[in-house]
Amino acid sequence: AQRVTQPEKLLSVFKGAPVELKCNYSYSGSPELFWYVQYSRQRLQLLLRHISRESIKGFTADLNKGETSFHLKKPFAQEEDSAMYYCALSRGGTSYGKLTFGQGTILTVHP
Amino acid sequence: ETGVTQSPTHLIKTRGQQVTLRCSSQSGHNTVSWYQQALGQGPQFIFQYYREEENGRGNFPPRFSGLQFPNYSSELNVNALELDDSALYLCASSLTAGQAGELFFGEGSRLTVL
Repeated sequence: AQRVTQPEKLLSVFKGAPVELKCNYSYSGSPELFWYVQYSRQRLQLLLRHISRESIKGFTADLNKGETSFHLKKPFAQEEDSAMYYCALSRGGTSYGKLTFGQGTILTVHP
Repeated sequence: ETGVTQSPTHLIKTRGQQVTLRCSSQSGHNTVSWYQQALGQGPQFIFQYYREEENGRGNFPPRFSGLQFPNYSSELNVNALELDDSALYLCASSLTAGQAGELFFGEGSRLTVL
């Protein structure tokens, strides 16, 4: 069975500092990895997915199959980045709607 | 474009009762997934419906059941409620079951079981 681990429940940084939210997974096949974000009083929404290899709101994430990790990074954090972040895994194929989520990391960016 | 809507937003039930939660998918989306989110946890996959058929199920007992209607809206039914069923229930719709489609989430239905 697949599993997603986000080791930090809380992460605090100051505005302008680099930020890295960690995500590790276990799955024997070729997974698809996602980051979802929930801003205050908003619904859960997709931030980025590894197959797109894109930067969204300055965030990037690289899938490292050797280390089974998909860490989310941003070089200069902004106050509006404060939110709950979830790493999620799909087994791909017909399983895209069936995500395994981590427990989430609350990111707080201080002014 | 209408987003995913869920009803009711909050409800309180007692142990042993039954509950039905409803979800209207985003316009044009034919796939609906349901998730349970306990306090302090990430969402946990319950099941998915695609074209009115169950298309995968997570580790939930049979007392969790669902339906999808021809207009792609969906219901989640839970029988014989237990205290541990207290959670936020999230519905998410997507364009199709078999592609890397983005999931669009509703705001959830918060169920409290006393």
